[in-house]
Amino acid sequence: QQPVQSPQAVILREGEDAVINCSSSKALYSVHWYRQKHGEAPVFLMILLKGGEQKGHEKISASFNEKKQQSSLYLTASQLSYSGTYFCGTVNSGGSNYKLTFGKGTLLTVNP
Amino acid sequence: GAVVSQHPSRVICKSGTSVKIECRSLDFQATTMFWYRQFPKKSLMLMATSNEGSKATYEQGVEKDKFLINHASLTLSTLTVTSAHPEDSSFYICSASGLAGGPSSLGEQFFGPGTRLTVL
Repeated sequence: QQPVQSPQAVILREGEDAVINCSSSKALYSVHWYRQKHGEAPVFLMILLKGGEQKGHEKISASFNEKKQQSSLYLTASQLSYSGTYFCGTVNSGGSNYKLTFGKGTLLTVNP
Repeated sequence: GAVVSQHPSRVICKSGTSVKIECRSLDFQATTMFWYRQFPKKSLMLMATSNEGSKATYEQGVEKDKFLINHASLTLSTLTVTSAHPEDSSFYICSASGLAGGPSSLGEQFFGPGTRLTVL
C-alpha cells in the first residue's frame, strides 16, 4: 500500500526550514528518502531502519518512528539546490527486503 | 560509487515496434534490479523485480509478455517493450540493489538516469 506524504508541495525562501512527512498503514521495516529533479532520475538521500533511528546528511536529516509507522525528513537552512520532488519509499515488515513502495512525492521549491 | 547507467536516454519509435532498454550497474554487482514507470508529475510505479539468473517477478497489472525483462548478469538487466503502442509512452527508470557488504547492503536502490519512450 502506497505511503502517504505531506505536504504535497512547499515553497521556501533560501535559508528557511521544511519538514516532509511520510506515513504508512502497514508495519515498516525501513524507509528510504530520494530527491528527484525534473527530467532526472531519483537520487538516494538516506535509509532508515526500524529502531527509531535518526540520520543526518549535511543539513538534511530524517527520523523514523517505527511504532507510528512514520518518517519525517528535515531540511534546515534550505539551499536553492534542494529544490525538487522528494519521495519516501517504504519496505514493509515481512515483505521483500528490497521492494520499495513510493509515496506520491512532495514538490519542494526554494526561491532566492 | 554506486553508479547505474541506462541506455538509450530517449527513444522515439513507431507503433508496433519493439524497444530494448539496457540498465547497467557500473561499479558494483547488482543482485536485484527493478524497473519502474513514471508518468509526468507522478510517483514511480514498480513494474517488476528481477534477480540475476532467474525470472522476473511482475507487479499486478503488468503484462509480462509485453514487458520482457532479462537479468543475464550481475551488472546488466534489459527491458524490452514489445509491440509498443502510444499508451506505452512514458519515462522508464531502472534501479539496482547490490550484494551484502557492498554499497547497497541495506537495500538502498540506486537509479539509472531513465529512458523517455515516445511511441508514435
